[in-house]
Amino acid sequence: GENVEQHPSTLSVQEGDSAVIKCTYSDSASNYFPWYKQELGKGPQLIIDIRSNVGEKKDQRIAVTLNKTAKHFSLHITETQPEDSAVYFCAASIYGNNRLAFGKGNQVVVIP
Amino acid sequence: DAGITQSPRHKVTETGTPVTLRCHQTENHRYMYWYRQDPGHGLRLIHYSYGVKDTDKGEVSDGYSVSRSKTEDFLLTLESATSSQTSVYFCAISDSSYNSPLHFGNGTRLTVT
Repeated sequence: GENVEQHPSTLSVQEGDSAVIKCTYSDSASNYFPWYKQELGKGPQLIIDIRSNVGEKKDQRIAVTLNKTAKHFSLHITETQPEDSAVYFCAASIYGNNRLAFGKGNQVVVIP
Repeated sequence: DAGITQSPRHKVTETGTPVTLRCHQTENHRYMYWYRQDPGHGLRLIHYSYGVKDTDKGEVSDGYSVSRSKTEDFLLTLESATSSQTSVYFCAISDSSYNSPLHFGNGTRLTVT
């Protein structure tokens, strides 16, 4: 089955700097890759997603890039702000059904 | 936020007692999921449903059962709660589109003493 790994597990950045989180996946048939942000005491919230026919997608300060050959995708957050501090999860679709395989999450801390 | 309500939000129960968690949605989505979240494990799928009375097991289904008698409600039952089932439980929904995103509720924190 699909296996998704996230690196690094914890990331600290200075406010205003950029943050990059990378995920790798194992199943080349995966074709949908969402990113979720989870704030304390809340459920994960979808922030951006990308499908395999696209190499990059951007929404204001966040972007996702996909490298299908290398089987990895990354979340980029520019001009980080304290409210970006959260746990971020990546996921990859499991071929043949409506399920996702999740990474274990990254704690991002933005230092004011 | 997607219209997902989980109840209760917090529960403390004793080992060996049955527990039922409820997920209610107002989006009329076909798919519903139960996940548990534990430190170091991320989100793990317990059970999911692809329609009324249609359910299937996820990766950590032992000790759990589910039921879905209406589109809007998905119940998770711990037959006989154990301390290893202390966790935060999340319900998620998605519509019937292939590769559509999941939308999560705000979770139920369950403590088994």
